[in-house]
Order: sequence, then structure tokens, then C-alpha cells
Amino acid sequence: SQQGEEDPQALSIQEGENATMNCSYKTSINNLQWYRQNSGRGLVHLILIRSNEREKHSGRLRVTLDTSKKSSSLLITASRAADTASYFCATANTGNQFYFGTGTSLTVIP
Amino acid sequence: DAGVTQSPTHLIKTRGQHVTLRCSPISGHKSVSWYQQVLGQGPQFIFQYYEKEERGRGNFPDRFSARQFPNYSSELNVNALLLGDSALYLCASSLVASGGGTDTQYFGPGTRLTVL
Repeated sequence: SQQGEEDPQALSIQEGENATMNCSYKTSINNLQWYRQNSGRGLVHLILIRSNEREKHSGRLRVTLDTSKKSSSLLITASRAADTASYFCATANTGNQFYFGTGTSLTVIP
Repeated sequence: DAGVTQSPTHLIKTRGQHVTLRCSPISGHKSVSWYQQVLGQGPQFIFQYYEKEERGRGNFPDRFSARQFPNYSSELNVNALLLGDSALYLCASSLVASGGGTDTQYFGPGTRLTVL
């Protein structure tokens, strides 16, 4: 079973707008990662946030983590058509076995 | 440097057959993980191998097996194929297997398996 769940399942925005997607997970974690997947291809790593961090930035990406609520959010600012993809959060416990959420499908309309 | 490569790209099999999928990790990476992604779902963890030893196994039946070779490439084998095995099979490599989700995983393009 998958540990994480992303919300919303699908999101459609205009180019230039911000996109926010959320991830909830069930058990305690060491880290949480976000990945992007274009059209059923391989996943691309976006950002990792450690359990002792609350916020992290990378370019147009901003990730927050609330371990008390077991949730994380990914914000993409000034979205572009090329950001159209599915976004997944992934968690791992003591092992290196990643558990992916169900994903948010983002469509950025030019 | 080449990324993670997988072969074949697409595969069509019939129920009951056997399939072998192959993965070559990024040069220098010693850990390989396999995932199954059914259409519309997130990837599900199948196996992780590090230094030729199994480090983790997901909730998949014994029909699924894997191995890692001395050059760190890996094979995923699925016996007695079922219709439900139709999916995108993803391979990911990482430098090590530090545990705790510390390692960034680099994914290959996947093998699309269709079982008829």
C-alpha cells in the first residue's frame, strides 16, 4: 500500500499562476522527497526535505513540512507550460524503501 | 554520463508467460530499486538491491524476483504473468543505500509491460 496521498488529484492553472499541491503520509519519516513525472515516463527528483526542516526552496519550488500533521506541500511559483506533469511525494522509513503517493496531475495552460 | 537505462522499452506478453526486465544504473551507483506503476497510480516499491544483496522487498508475490550482478546492473523477473501485472516497471539507482530515504533516486524511463 502507498503511504502518501497527494491532494488535489488534478489541478489546472494558467501560465504564470502559482500551483500548490499537498501530501499527507501515515507514519514517522526521516525525509520526504518530491518527484515529477512527465507523461508516464521516469520520475525526476525535485527536492528533499528532512524531518527537522520546516521549509526548503529550490528555484521556483518551495516545500514545507509539518511533521505534527504528517503533511507536506509543494508550491510552484510562476508556473510554465513545461511544468505540466504529475507530481509525487515519497517517504521512506528506516530502510531505503520509498513509498510514493497517488500523485497530483498538474496542467499549466499557456 | 548516461542515466539509468532500461530494456526493453515496451513488451507484450500473454498470461502465464515469464518476463525479464533489465536495468543498468548510473555509473558508480551501487543500489538499484524496482517499482511497479499501474496506470493512474504512484509507483509501488518491489525490490531494492545493494552490492548484489536484497535490501528490501515490497508486498509482491513470489512470482516477482530480482537479482543484481557484479557490475550493479539488475534484472527483474516475473513468472506466471497475470493481466494485473500490466504496468510501467521503473528502475531507480542511487549511489548507496544509506537508509531513511536520504538517497536521491534516479529513475530510468521504464519498461511498459502489457499482459494479454
